[in-house]
Amino acid sequence: QVQLQQSGAELAKPGSSVKISCKASGYTFTSYYISWIKQTTGQGLEYIGYINTGSGGTNYNEKFKGKATLTVDKSSSTAFMQLSSLTPDDSAVYYCARLYGGCDYWGQGVMVTVSS
Amino acid sequence: NTVMTQSPTSMFTSVGDRVTMSCKASQNVGINVGWYQQKTGQSPKRLIYWASNRDTGVPDRFTGSGSGTDFTLTISNMQAEDPAIYYCLQHNSYPWTFGGGTKLELK
Repeated sequence: QVQLQQSGAELAKPGSSVKISCKASGYTFTSYYISWIKQTTGQGLEYIGYINTGSGGTNYNEKFKGKATLTVDKSSSTAFMQLSSLTPDDSAVYYCARLYGGCDYWGQGVMVTVSS
Repeated sequence: NTVMTQSPTSMFTSVGDRVTMSCKASQNVGINVGWYQQKTGQSPKRLIYWASNRDTGVPDRFTGSGSGTDFTLTISNMQAEDPAIYYCLQHNSYPWTFGGGTKLELK
């Protein structure tokens, strides 16, 4: 069965970076793009961008350009998102999701807390 | 960006009720809309794709309809396991955008 397993919760200091992972299983990894979504209580669900898992090509929401960097390791069927120059506004739950007709399968989410 | 406006923002219902919620797009998104159910502490789960197609394993009491700018999710016979927040998502144009959600609770 399709599964997206994300890495564990992160506690980071302002100004630092974090890199979270999303390991796919149960399907051919390079046949589907992976997207990333941010969820906060105040802003709801926000689309960050997607990565073409075959070519590594990316598409970013303008709001997250310079904040998020999406990469992929085909050999391990894993997608990554690095968040840089963290501020308290980056505190959220971050999901990866497989792209098909929208987002058909989601990871369990990673809580990122930015605090000094 | 395409704004997706959901209504109502919250509603109380009873087991057995018929529930209808709306999602309106600020521009034409065709049928490129999905509906997602998020229960407390869980990831969103897709129920409906391309406006009216039910995902595998989703009970047939969930029905999606609409095209263009107006979309509806109907639960024909509310069950005890259905309380959740329901979101719509447009994937017609980037950046994809979600509605603000409809919180469905039992009386």
